[in-house]
Amino acid sequence: EVQLVESGGGLVQPGGSLRLSCAASGFTFSSYEMNWVRQAPGKGLAWVSYIHSSGTTIYYADSVKGRFTISRDNAKSSLYLQMNSLTAEDTGVYYCARKQWLGPGADYWGQGILVTVSS
Amino acid sequence: DIQMTQSPSSLSASVGDRVTITCRASQTISTYLNWYQQTPGKAPKLLIYAASNLQSGVPSRFSGSGSGTDFTLTISSLQPEDFATYYCQQGDSPPFTFGPGTKVDVK
Repeated sequence: EVQLVESGGGLVQPGGSLRLSCAASGFTFSSYEMNWVRQAPGKGLAWVSYIHSSGTTIYYADSVKGRFTISRDNAKSSLYLQMNSLTAEDTGVYYCARKQWLGPGADYWGQGILVTVSS
Repeated sequence: DIQMTQSPSSLSASVGDRVTITCRASQTISTYLNWYQQTPGKAPKLLIYAASNLQSGVPSRFSGSGSGTDFTLTISSLQPEDFATYYCQQGDSPPFTFGPGTKVDVK
C-alpha cells in the first residue's frame, strides 16, 4: 500500500525556519517525481515545489523561491522541504504528493501537516 | 505563468443531478489538465488526469473533456459522497497552478 506521511510541522515565529519531511512507503520512491502542495486556512490548493526522481530538476512557486528548498533522499525514501524566512502567508497545511508514473496528475497524497507562522 | 480559472465558484445541486464544472487556462496546455476532489479535512483525491482519463478506482459517473484552454468536469448523477470542492490543475509547465476551486453543496 502506498503511504506518504508528513512530519515536522508546527508553530514557528515569523522569520523562522522549519524542515518538513515526507516518508514514503509501498512503492519504489526513487522512480517517482514528487511535489509539495499547500493550503492556507479556508483557501484553495497552491502548488509549492516539484522535484524529479533523480533530484536533478527542481521547480518552485514564485512565492517561495529563494526561501524554500526541496530535496530528497532516495536511499531513505524521503522527501524534504526546508522552509526559511517564514511569514504569516506561509501558514497552512502542507501536503507531499506523488506524481503519476505516466500522466501529469498527483495520484497519492499524504495526510498533510500544519505549519503555523505566528508570534 | 499559466493562470487557471474555474466556473462556477460554487453551485447547489441535488442527488441525481448532472453537474458540470468548467476550467479555463490562460494559454494552451494541450491535455495536461487534472481534476481533484477534496472534502473538508481531507487530502485531495485525483479524479481525472490528462483531461479525460479516469483515475483508477474513481466511479464512472465522473468524466472529463477538453483540450487547449477549455476543459470540463462532469458528474453524470450526483451522489451524496460527491458534495465536495473540485479543483483543476495544469501540468503543462511550472508553476503547476491550480484553479480556485468549485464548491458543490446541497440544494
